[in-house]
Amino acid sequence: GENVEQHPSTLSVQEGDSAVIKCTYSDSASNYFPWYKQELGKGPQLIIDIRSNVGEKKDQRIAVTLNKTAKHFSLHITETQPEDSAVYFCAASIKGAGGTSYGKLTFGQGTILTVHP
Amino acid sequence: GAVVSQHPSWVICKSGTSVKIECRSLDFQATTMFWYRQFPKQSLMLMATSNEGSKATYEQGVEKDKFLINHASLTLSTLTVTSAHPEDSSFYICSARGLAVSLQFFGPGTRLTVL
Repeated sequence: GENVEQHPSTLSVQEGDSAVIKCTYSDSASNYFPWYKQELGKGPQLIIDIRSNVGEKKDQRIAVTLNKTAKHFSLHITETQPEDSAVYFCAASIKGAGGTSYGKLTFGQGTILTVHP
Repeated sequence: GAVVSQHPSWVICKSGTSVKIECRSLDFQATTMFWYRQFPKQSLMLMATSNEGSKATYEQGVEKDKFLINHASLTLSTLTVTSAHPEDSSFYICSARGLAVSLQFFGPGTRLTVL
């Protein structure tokens, strides 16, 4: 089955700096890669995702890059703010051919991001 | 759109009792719901996948007789932890997916503490 490795496990940055979190996956059939932000005591919230036919996607201060050949994808947060402090999870999934839904998600281990004011 | 709720948000129970957790999709029909378990400072581990009207599919190592899942309607799935023990204490999170909502959207989670 799919295995997703995520690094680093903790990341501490100063407000305004950039933060980068990296993930690798093992199953070359995976074609959907979401990123989730989880605040303490809450469920994960989807912040950005990328499909395997795209190499990069941006949404304001957040961007995700995907290297299918190397089987790794990264989350980039620019101009970090204290409210960005949370646990971030990457995940990988497979969308079946001709289907409309994505299969089960395999999560990375999580990264605790702390943004110091 | 795509809001998923869970009830209760937290529950404390005595060892040996059963606890039911509800997961509802509020604004879409959820053909599939997923149940996850998350221990402190760890990742989400998928417990089971349930399709509306069908029996749940459990992940390896998850006891189906202990974690009963029912997905009787397109907006509601329930997880019942039977004969709960302290080691069942955890954060339980559901997610839902539908025909019109192909991605998974997560509920806010339920904190279970078994004394």
